[in-house]
Amino acid sequence: DGGITQSPKYLFRKEGQNVTLSCEQNLNHDAMYWYRQDPGQGLRLIYYSQIVNDFQKGDIAEGYSVSREKKESFPLTVTSAQKNPTAFYLCASSLADQETQYFGPGTRLLVL
Amino acid sequence: AQSVAQPEDQVKVAEGNPLTVKCTYSVSGNPYLFWYVQYPNRGLQFLLKYITGDNLVKGSYGFEAEFNKSQTSFHLKKPSALVSDSALYFCAVRPLIKAAGNKLTFGGGTRVLVKP
Repeated sequence: DGGITQSPKYLFRKEGQNVTLSCEQNLNHDAMYWYRQDPGQGLRLIYYSQIVNDFQKGDIAEGYSVSREKKESFPLTVTSAQKNPTAFYLCASSLADQETQYFGPGTRLLVL
Repeated sequence: AQSVAQPEDQVKVAEGNPLTVKCTYSVSGNPYLFWYVQYPNRGLQFLLKYITGDNLVKGSYGFEAEFNKSQTSFHLKKPSALVSDSALYFCAVRPLIKAAGNKLTFGGGTRVLVKP
């Protein structure tokens, strides 16, 4: 898992609640990514950021939001608009866009 | 659109036997290929990648992968499997040439079970 940390390890969301997942890296990487992992479906890209103060939607951005105010941090907010949020969320970073990605340990989100 | 297929959901081998995990891909132009491994409730760990050059790529933990352009395949191999190799393995691809919007596409994963 290298220099990428994600917190919390487990997160519980109530109906109608927004929750924020933390991702921090100390690898001095420019690019950061958020993926969602569901059983049997591999990883799907939610959002990515090539550089500070810039980010783009991935394949399944609806119901999620991000910010990239610092190079080290790329938090993901799961909003109440995301109707099926239960999944394993993985953050990754790479030295530059489209280079080898390195992953954090993940956050498992469960709905109460 | 690019895609990755891992045709086997699960592979079972006995410890000490050779291990092969299959991957085929579709991408515009030349591919940039990756293998990752995931242990239970953990993030993905990078194993190896193919960019250009020798078709046989060596990676971490004794794994290697063979690139076959004509068959559009990038199978992961290990000559002698260990029980500790039991995990979920992902193949991924993106176009080699960088362009705006290029993304990494993952296969659905193959669960490897190595029996003692």
